[in-house]
Amino acid sequence: DGGITQSPKYLFRKEGQNVTLSCEQNLNHDAMYWYRQDPGQGLRLIYYSQIVNDFQKGDIAEGYSVSREKKESFPLTVTSAQKNPTAFYLCASSFGTDSGNTIYFGEGSWLTVV
Amino acid sequence: AQKVTQAQTEISVVEKEDVTLDCVYETRDTTYYLFWYKQPPSGELVFLIRRNSFDEQNEISGRYSWNFQKSTSSFNFTITASQVVDSAVYFCALSEAPDFNKFYFGSGTKLNVKP
Repeated sequence: DGGITQSPKYLFRKEGQNVTLSCEQNLNHDAMYWYRQDPGQGLRLIYYSQIVNDFQKGDIAEGYSVSREKKESFPLTVTSAQKNPTAFYLCASSFGTDSGNTIYFGEGSWLTVV
Repeated sequence: AQKVTQAQTEISVVEKEDVTLDCVYETRDTTYYLFWYKQPPSGELVFLIRRNSFDEQNEISGRYSWNFQKSTSSFNFTITASQVVDSAVYFCALSEAPDFNKFYFGSGTKLNVKP
């Protein structure tokens, strides 16, 4: 089935460690996104990528890094520089950069710093 | 200023009641898109509807209906005869020129439907 797969679903990290969240899509979408959601809050854009080997910072990119080496994959690294990383992370994708594209979401990954 | 405002933080209704979730947006562009997503307890956001700024026709899909009014910058969502399975957090979102890839989400409305 086509969709967006995020892994792991739950992840625990010790302070000072980097951690990478995986996001893979088989929808042949050009654009991919990472959002962060804190409890009771809306979604905030971390990074997005419109094409392979290119990406742009969103509203809260500090402490995060991404890569887009393949169309299907857009991993997010939460670095030790991110001071408050405990949150729910959502990966999304869309067909492209034309106006009106709908973004579709993965199931999310819970990151907890212990 | 918030581009998308969902003033209702949480709503509780009894099954079979109708419920309307409010969404007010702010944009200076003439071309923009509005969306509604549902987030069940499992966490994944499920796309419900997309509306472009040139189409003010209301839409009905089963028990769901949407009322788009440019005059009041609102895009409200009504669930008729609510069911327990409708319990979720609902998000309204906006995309606008020049960067349609950048979605602005409201803070969400948590809907509790009690049996």
